[in-house]
Amino acid sequence: AQSVTQPDIHITVSEGASLELRCNYSYGATPYLFWYVQSPGQGLQLLLKYFSGDTLVQGIKGFEAEFKRSQSSFNLRKPSVHWSDAAEYFCAVGRAGANNLFFGTGTRLTVIP
Amino acid sequence: NAGVTQTPKFQVLKTGQSMTLQCAQDMNHEYMSWYRQDPGMGLRLIHYSVGAGITDQGEVPNGYNVSRSTTEDFPLRLLSAAPSQTSVYFCASSYAGQGVYEQYFGPGTRLTVT
Repeated sequence: AQSVTQPDIHITVSEGASLELRCNYSYGATPYLFWYVQSPGQGLQLLLKYFSGDTLVQGIKGFEAEFKRSQSSFNLRKPSVHWSDAAEYFCAVGRAGANNLFFGTGTRLTVIP
Repeated sequence: NAGVTQTPKFQVLKTGQSMTLQCAQDMNHEYMSWYRQDPGMGLRLIHYSVGAGITDQGEVPNGYNVSRSTTEDFPLRLLSAAPSQTSVYFCASSYAGQGVYEQYFGPGTRLTVT
């Protein structure tokens, strides 16, 4: 069975500081991994995705994530956080041929000036 | 190109009432799905469809019905609302097939059942 764990419920960082949001997945085959962002009162927007190939993927808004098969992780990073990055971030896992995604419980990011 | 649209944005129901949450997409996507979002639980899949006339249950289907008569529309019906169905509901769509495709989400419907 597929599952996703986001161990940090809430993270607070200062504007300009670096950010890493953790995501661990459980899946027997090659996973397909996604990070979505949800701003308050909004729907979900795709930040980036990993299907295959280079394990470091670049996304929108300056975000990147690294797939580490040995650690079953897909952590999201940003070198310098902006106040507009305050939002909730969801990691999700899927597989080829099945469109359903399994989501983590989310990490809420607060950015302080 | 409007993407995925949902109506209404907000709804308050009394226990036992029924209603339909509307979802439409104009991207000709085969796959459509409904999720509910609850605090601390992320998004959980309610029902999904891989094409017109085909629907299936997700993780939390009880209390909800769906049908897919056209490619564009995928309504979610609450037959007899319960307070446990208070949640934010998201509809999503994507291409279907052997690949894995990005899902596009609607803006959500916030439902309160009293």
